[in-house]
Amino acid sequence: GDSVTQMEGPVTLSEEAFLTINCTYTATGYPSLFWYVQYPGEGLQLLLKATKADDKGSNKGFEATYRKETTSFHLEKGSVQVSDSAVYFCALSSYGGATNKLIFGTGTLLAVQP
Amino acid sequence: KAGVTQTPRYLIKTRGQQVTLSCSPISGHRSVSWYQQTPGQGLQFLFEYFSETQRNKGNFPGRFSGRQFSNSRSEMNVSTLELGDSALYLCASSTGTKETQYFGPGTRLLVL
Repeated sequence: GDSVTQMEGPVTLSEEAFLTINCTYTATGYPSLFWYVQYPGEGLQLLLKATKADDKGSNKGFEATYRKETTSFHLEKGSVQVSDSAVYFCALSSYGGATNKLIFGTGTLLAVQP
Repeated sequence: KAGVTQTPRYLIKTRGQQVTLSCSPISGHRSVSWYQQTPGQGLQFLFEYFSETQRNKGNFPGRFSGRQFSNSRSEMNVSTLELGDSALYLCASSTGTKETQYFGPGTRLLVL
Protein backbone atom coordinates (compact mmCIF):
# COMPACT_ATOMS: atom_id res chain seq x y z
CA GLY A 1 0.00 0.00 0.00
CA ASP A 2 0.86 3.66 -0.09
CA SER A 3 3.40 4.89 2.44
CA VAL A 4 5.56 7.88 3.41
CA THR A 5 9.06 7.76 4.87
CA GLN A 6 10.67 10.82 6.38
CA MET A 7 13.95 11.35 8.12
CA GLU A 8 14.22 10.65 11.81
CA GLY A 9 14.62 13.55 14.14
CA PRO A 10 15.28 15.48 16.11
CA VAL A 11 16.96 17.95 13.82
CA THR A 12 18.77 20.64 15.80
CA LEU A 13 19.92 23.78 13.98
CA SER A 14 21.18 27.20 14.84
CA GLU A 15 19.14 30.22 13.79
CA GLU A 16 19.71 31.20 10.13
CA ALA A 17 20.96 27.73 9.19
CA PHE A 18 19.72 25.89 6.10
CA LEU A 19 17.07 23.24 6.64
CA THR A 20 16.38 20.05 4.72
CA ILE A 21 13.93 17.39 5.87
CA ASN A 22 13.85 14.40 3.56
CA CYS A 23 10.60 12.73 2.54
CA THR A 24 10.09 9.86 0.11
CA TYR A 25 6.90 8.08 -0.78
CA THR A 26 5.54 4.89 -2.26
CA ALA A 27 2.24 5.19 -4.05
CA THR A 28 0.22 3.99 -6.97
CA GLY A 29 -0.47 6.60 -9.58
CA TYR A 30 0.00 10.29 -8.92
CA PRO A 31 -0.74 11.25 -5.33
CA SER A 32 -0.91 14.79 -4.02
CA LEU A 33 1.85 15.60 -1.54
CA PHE A 34 1.76 17.79 1.55
CA TRP A 35 3.83 19.15 4.37
CA TYR A 36 2.00 19.86 7.62
CA VAL A 37 3.47 21.48 10.74
CA GLN A 38 2.42 20.89 14.34
CA TYR A 39 3.33 23.32 17.10
CA PRO A 40 3.26 22.12 20.72
CA GLY A 41 -0.27 21.53 21.98
CA GLU A 42 -1.88 22.30 18.64
CA GLY A 43 -3.37 20.53 15.65
CA LEU A 44 -1.81 20.31 12.20
CA GLN A 45 -1.38 23.31 9.93
CA LEU A 46 -0.91 22.94 6.20
CA LEU A 47 2.49 24.34 5.28
CA LEU A 48 2.53 23.64 1.54
CA LYS A 49 1.35 21.19 -1.07
CA ALA A 50 1.98 19.96 -4.62
CA THR A 51 -0.48 18.10 -6.77
CA LYS A 52 1.57 16.94 -9.76
CA ALA A 53 5.11 16.10 -10.79
CA ASP A 54 7.58 19.02 -10.88
CA ASP A 55 5.19 21.28 -8.95
CA LYS A 56 6.90 23.38 -6.30
CA GLY A 57 4.94 24.22 -3.17
CA SER A 58 6.09 27.20 -1.14
CA ASN A 59 4.97 29.12 1.94
CA LYS A 60 6.65 31.24 4.64
CA GLY A 61 10.09 30.62 3.13
CA PHE A 62 9.64 26.84 3.00
CA GLU A 63 9.75 25.01 -0.33
CA ALA A 64 9.32 21.47 -1.59
CA THR A 65 9.35 20.08 -5.13
CA TYR A 66 7.36 17.03 -6.24
CA ARG A 67 9.96 14.73 -7.82
CA LYS A 68 8.31 11.75 -9.47
CA GLU A 69 11.56 10.23 -10.72
CA THR A 70 12.94 9.96 -7.18
CA THR A 71 9.51 9.72 -5.46
CA SER A 72 10.57 12.51 -3.13
CA PHE A 73 9.18 15.72 -1.65
CA HIS A 74 11.98 17.15 0.50
CA LEU A 75 11.26 20.23 2.62
CA GLU A 76 13.79 23.09 2.53
CA LYS A 77 14.20 26.52 4.04
CA GLY A 78 17.13 28.81 3.48
CA SER A 79 17.28 30.42 6.92
CA VAL A 80 15.40 28.97 9.88
CA GLN A 81 14.16 30.93 12.87
CA VAL A 82 13.52 29.93 16.46
CA SER A 83 9.81 30.23 15.70
CA ASP A 84 10.11 27.38 13.15
CA SER A 85 10.66 24.90 15.98
CA ALA A 86 7.90 22.34 15.59
CA VAL A 87 7.16 18.84 14.29
CA TYR A 88 6.92 18.56 10.50
CA PHE A 89 4.87 15.85 8.79
CA CYS A 90 5.08 14.77 5.19
CA ALA A 91 1.83 13.28 3.84
CA LEU A 92 0.22 11.99 0.67
CA SER A 93 -3.32 11.79 -0.52
CA SER A 94 -3.89 8.62 -2.47
CA TYR A 95 -4.53 8.89 -6.17
CA GLY A 96 -7.84 7.58 -7.41
CA GLY A 97 -11.03 6.81 -5.55
CA ALA A 98 -13.39 9.16 -3.83
CA THR A 99 -11.47 9.62 -0.62
CA ASN A 100 -9.59 12.28 1.31
CA LYS A 101 -7.52 9.82 3.31
CA LEU A 102 -4.07 11.20 4.16
CA ILE A 103 -1.12 8.93 4.85
CA PHE A 104 1.49 10.53 7.07
CA GLY A 105 5.14 10.03 7.75
CA THR A 106 6.33 9.65 11.32
CA GLY A 107 7.12 13.34 11.74
CA THR A 108 10.43 15.16 12.22
CA LEU A 109 11.03 17.33 15.26
CA LEU A 110 12.92 20.51 14.42
CA ALA A 111 14.58 22.46 17.22
CA VAL A 112 16.12 25.80 16.30
CA GLN A 113 18.49 27.36 18.80
CA PRO A 114 19.15 31.11 19.01
CA LYS B 1 -14.23 32.09 8.46
CA ALA B 2 -13.96 30.18 11.68
CA GLY B 3 -11.67 27.19 11.61
CA VAL B 4 -12.38 23.61 12.52
CA THR B 5 -13.47 23.32 16.12
CA GLN B 6 -13.35 20.26 18.32
CA THR B 7 -14.95 19.66 21.68
CA PRO B 8 -14.02 18.90 24.30
CA ARG B 9 -10.33 19.72 24.16
CA TYR B 10 -9.41 17.38 27.00
CA LEU B 11 -11.04 14.29 28.42
CA ILE B 12 -10.18 11.81 31.13
CA LYS B 13 -12.02 8.50 31.16
CA THR B 14 -11.54 5.11 32.76
CA ARG B 15 -11.25 1.75 31.07
CA GLY B 16 -14.55 0.30 29.93
CA GLN B 17 -16.29 3.65 29.58
CA GLN B 18 -17.35 5.15 26.29
CA VAL B 19 -16.67 8.60 24.90
CA THR B 20 -18.07 10.88 22.22
CA LEU B 21 -15.99 13.55 20.53
CA SER B 22 -17.40 16.33 18.39
CA CYS B 23 -16.09 18.16 15.36
CA SER B 24 -17.54 21.23 13.63
CA PRO B 25 -16.03 21.73 10.17
CA ILE B 26 -15.34 25.00 8.41
CA SER B 27 -18.54 26.46 7.03
CA GLY B 28 -19.27 25.00 3.60
CA HIS B 29 -17.03 21.97 4.04
CA ARG B 30 -18.81 18.66 3.47
CA SER B 31 -15.98 16.23 4.13
CA VAL B 32 -14.84 15.42 7.66
CA SER B 33 -12.02 13.01 8.45
CA TRP B 34 -10.79 11.73 11.79
CA TYR B 35 -7.24 10.77 12.74
CA GLN B 36 -5.67 9.29 15.85
CA GLN B 37 -2.23 10.50 16.90
CA THR B 38 -0.10 8.54 19.36
CA PRO B 39 3.64 8.59 20.09
CA GLY B 40 3.96 4.94 19.09
CA GLN B 41 1.80 4.73 15.96
CA GLY B 42 1.93 8.30 14.75
CA LEU B 43 -0.98 9.70 12.76
CA GLN B 44 -3.48 7.09 11.64
CA PHE B 45 -6.63 7.55 9.60
CA LEU B 46 -9.82 6.52 11.36
CA PHE B 47 -12.63 7.33 8.92
CA GLU B 48 -14.04 9.92 6.58
CA TYR B 49 -17.57 11.20 6.14
CA PHE B 50 -18.95 13.07 3.18
CA SER B 51 -22.54 14.29 3.03
CA GLU B 52 -23.52 12.07 5.98
CA THR B 53 -22.06 8.91 4.43
CA GLN B 54 -18.97 7.08 5.59
CA ARG B 55 -16.73 7.03 2.55
CA ASN B 56 -13.61 5.36 3.89
CA LYS B 57 -12.54 3.60 7.06
CA GLY B 58 -9.13 2.89 8.53
CA ASN B 59 -7.93 -0.25 10.22
CA PHE B 60 -9.47 0.21 13.64
CA PRO B 61 -11.73 -2.12 15.66
CA GLY B 62 -15.47 -1.76 15.60
CA ARG B 63 -15.36 0.03 18.97
CA PHE B 64 -14.53 3.13 16.95
CA SER B 65 -17.51 4.58 15.13
CA GLY B 66 -18.66 7.88 13.78
CA ARG B 67 -21.41 9.77 12.10
CA GLN B 68 -22.06 13.00 10.30
CA PHE B 69 -25.10 15.20 10.57
CA SER B 70 -26.90 17.16 7.88
CA ASN B 71 -25.05 20.34 8.90
CA SER B 72 -21.73 18.47 8.32
CA ARG B 73 -20.86 18.36 12.02
CA SER B 74 -19.39 15.01 12.94
CA GLU B 75 -19.04 12.92 16.03
CA MET B 76 -16.89 9.93 16.76
CA ASN B 77 -17.57 7.42 19.48
CA VAL B 78 -15.27 4.98 21.19
CA SER B 79 -16.91 2.29 23.27
CA THR B 80 -15.34 0.06 25.92
CA LEU B 81 -12.27 2.26 26.25
CA GLU B 82 -8.85 0.67 26.57
CA LEU B 83 -5.63 2.20 27.89
CA GLY B 84 -4.26 2.16 24.36
CA ASP B 85 -6.99 4.51 23.20
CA SER B 86 -5.23 7.37 24.97
CA ALA B 87 -4.34 9.71 22.13
CA LEU B 88 -4.87 13.03 20.43
CA TYR B 89 -7.88 12.75 18.13
CA LEU B 90 -7.78 15.15 15.22
CA CYS B 91 -10.57 16.14 12.92
CA ALA B 92 -10.04 17.64 9.47
CA SER B 93 -12.47 19.15 7.01
CA SER B 94 -12.39 19.96 3.32
CA THR B 95 -14.74 21.14 0.60
CA GLY B 96 -14.59 17.89 -1.33
CA THR B 97 -12.50 15.06 -2.69
CA LYS B 98 -8.78 15.74 -3.14
CA GLU B 99 -9.14 19.23 -1.71
CA THR B 100 -6.89 20.58 1.05
CA GLN B 101 -7.79 19.35 4.51
CA TYR B 102 -7.81 21.77 7.43
CA PHE B 103 -7.27 20.38 10.90
CA GLY B 104 -8.79 21.28 14.24
CA PRO B 105 -6.81 21.58 17.48
CA GLY B 106 -7.69 18.06 18.54
CA THR B 107 -9.21 16.37 21.56
CA ARG B 108 -6.71 14.85 23.96
CA LEU B 109 -8.14 11.70 25.52
CA LEU B 110 -6.54 10.06 28.52
CA VAL B 111 -7.81 6.62 29.56
CA LEU B 112 -6.96 5.54 33.10
